[in-house]
Amino acid sequence: KAGVTQTPRYLIKTRGQQVTLSCSPISGHRSVSWYQQTPGQGLQFLFEYFSETQRNKGNFPGRFSGRQFSNSRSEMNVSTLELGDSALYLCASSPDPDGYNEQFFGPGTRLTVL
Amino acid sequence: GIQVEQSPPDLILQEGANSTLRCNFSDSVNNLQWFHQNPWGQLINLFYIPSGTKQNGRLSATTVATERYSLLYISSSQTTDSGVYFCAVVPAVTDSWGKFQFGAGTQVVVTP
Repeated sequence: KAGVTQTPRYLIKTRGQQVTLSCSPISGHRSVSWYQQTPGQGLQFLFEYFSETQRNKGNFPGRFSGRQFSNSRSEMNVSTLELGDSALYLCASSPDPDGYNEQFFGPGTRLTVL
Repeated sequence: GIQVEQSPPDLILQEGANSTLRCNFSDSVNNLQWFHQNPWGQLINLFYIPSGTKQNGRLSATTVATERYSLLYISSSQTTDSGVYFCAVVPAVTDSWGKFQFGAGTQVVVTP
């Protein structure tokens, strides 16, 4: 079974631009979560989607948004990029929605904002 | 919210040594996982262990949920064990779907 895939793997943008990252979960997994990892703040939860609905959101500004499609693939969007948005963005998938199940992470997208 | 504390923050080992990493959490959890982050940033699943004991080769883990801690044991360490080890928990509250709270990690360096 293929693992979680994320595209692109690397991205360089300039301040003020917007970016869209994509995550394809493991086949059959319906829950997708997104995390941001920075040296200063560590790994922080962004949001979680299940059946195309955002059920949980972390403490990030409204510039960070996401969505999930009917095939469970998810995208996250960051608008009006700031230097501080430079980070590794990780997504995770899980088969069920209740938080009891094991989560599996993709390889991440490394975003650099210049 | 739930607090997750990992210790020690850094660990330097000689190849062949054994070590124990600890994860303390402040409230009840539905899920606890240990991860190893590889040099490219991917989080590799080590254990899904909200309670009990598991072993996988040279690694083993124990979670005592009633006392709110988990331990990861590395035996006969190898240089490939180097990297950052994270503990992550999902709190046992109704709105916690998919919401991992991560510890700060333990940076492990294994020297030849």
